[in-house]
Amino acid sequence: AQKVTQAQTEISVVEKEDVTLDCVYETRDTTYYLFWYKQPPSGELVFLIRRNSFDEQNEISGRYSWNFQKSTSSFNFTITASQVVDSAVYFCALSETGFQKLVFGTGTRLLVSP
Amino acid sequence: DTAVSQTPKYLVTQMGNDKSIKCEQNLGHDTMYWYKQDSKKFLKIMFSYNNKELIINETVPNRFSPKSPDKAHLNLHINSLELGDSAVYFCASSPTGTYYEQYFGPGTRLTVT
Repeated sequence: AQKVTQAQTEISVVEKEDVTLDCVYETRDTTYYLFWYKQPPSGELVFLIRRNSFDEQNEISGRYSWNFQKSTSSFNFTITASQVVDSAVYFCALSETGFQKLVFGTGTRLLVSP
Repeated sequence: DTAVSQTPKYLVTQMGNDKSIKCEQNLGHDTMYWYKQDSKKFLKIMFSYNNKELIINETVPNRFSPKSPDKAHLNLHINSLELGDSAVYFCASSPTGTYYEQYFGPGTRLTVT
């Protein structure tokens, strides 16, 4: 069964703090793909990153970094030196081979205050 | 250029009415989707279409009927609207294959009174 758990419902930080959003997934497949999306207050869904199950290298993109660990079935997302514009709901999602769909976690709302 | 567009952006209607939401993508993708986001922000797949063919129907009530006239368009028709249908409906598209990220439209906020 496919399942994505984002245990943190809401996180509040002050600008310039680092913050990590947790994502734990369940799958029986050996080939699968993980994604992060951002939903700012304006409501659109913005793709951030994709990772396949065979690539456990961490990735950094500017202030964003992702830590993928198959051993713990986790794909965590860290924002370094957070900014007010990072305030949004962040979704982790999973897709498995043969299933043309994304299974989303429940999202983590990040509030960054000045 | 808007990649995935939806109309209308807002839809307010009464219980029992029938309504449609339209979606178009200009990305040349073969696969299109409908997702529903409820009031708690939970996002769930409803339908997936590949080259105009339905490939996923995620136990959605029969009152929801998607239609894909061509691979750039995927419309959603809802009959006999119920209060519980109130949600934001997102259309998305991607190339065929679970590897690819999906590109989402701006969403349609449906309110049933």
